[in-house]
Amino acid sequence: GQQVMQIPQYQHVQEGEDFTTYCNSSTTLSNIQWYKQRPGGHPVFLIQLVKSGEVKKQKRLTFQFGEAKKNSSLHITATQTTDVGTYFCAGLSGGSYIPTFGRGTSLIVHP
Amino acid sequence: SAVISQKPSRDICQRGTSLTIQCQVDSQVTMMFWYRQQPGQSLTLIATANQGSEATYESGFVIDKFPISRPNLTFSTLTVSNMSPEDSSIYLCSVQGQGMGYGYTFGSGTRLTVV
Repeated sequence: GQQVMQIPQYQHVQEGEDFTTYCNSSTTLSNIQWYKQRPGGHPVFLIQLVKSGEVKKQKRLTFQFGEAKKNSSLHITATQTTDVGTYFCAGLSGGSYIPTFGRGTSLIVHP
Repeated sequence: SAVISQKPSRDICQRGTSLTIQCQVDSQVTMMFWYRQQPGQSLTLIATANQGSEATYESGFVIDKFPISRPNLTFSTLTVSNMSPEDSSIYLCSVQGQGMGYGYTFGSGTRLTVV
């Protein structure tokens, strides 16, 4: 079945440094979604990418979808302590409406 | 997007007992999804609950262990039966976003500890 690999598992950064998490799928995706889960919280939807090579921005967050629609990345510029949490990618392929979640990257920001 | 009320938010249960988790959605939805998230891990889909039919379970999950009810289009329950410490997890319900470009909305989760 479809697998979505996400790296790194953890990332420690100093406040103000940049952060990137990467997702790779074993199959071509129809779209990919990104979620953020704060410590003790539940996943919250951030964005969905659909088109090959698509790039979307939300303030300091930049999301990319690869040309082959098998990989994606989330980049945070100048991290803040409010960025702390686990970021999950979730891929959908074929006609499935059920996403396959990556393992998540936990971001720890040191002030 | 939909708003989901999930309860209980946490519980500590004795092994061998059962716990029923409830999710109420503020709008009618065709499908509701139940996930398990073990500490520090990703989300694993347990089952999909459709109103008026039996839930569809993912590999590794069975109805006897995780019975699900879906009496109407806004409500669902998941029961964790005959619990063991290995069932200690966060359980989350979820619904699909309405319209293009909307992801899934999750309930606030039930943090279950089995002792």
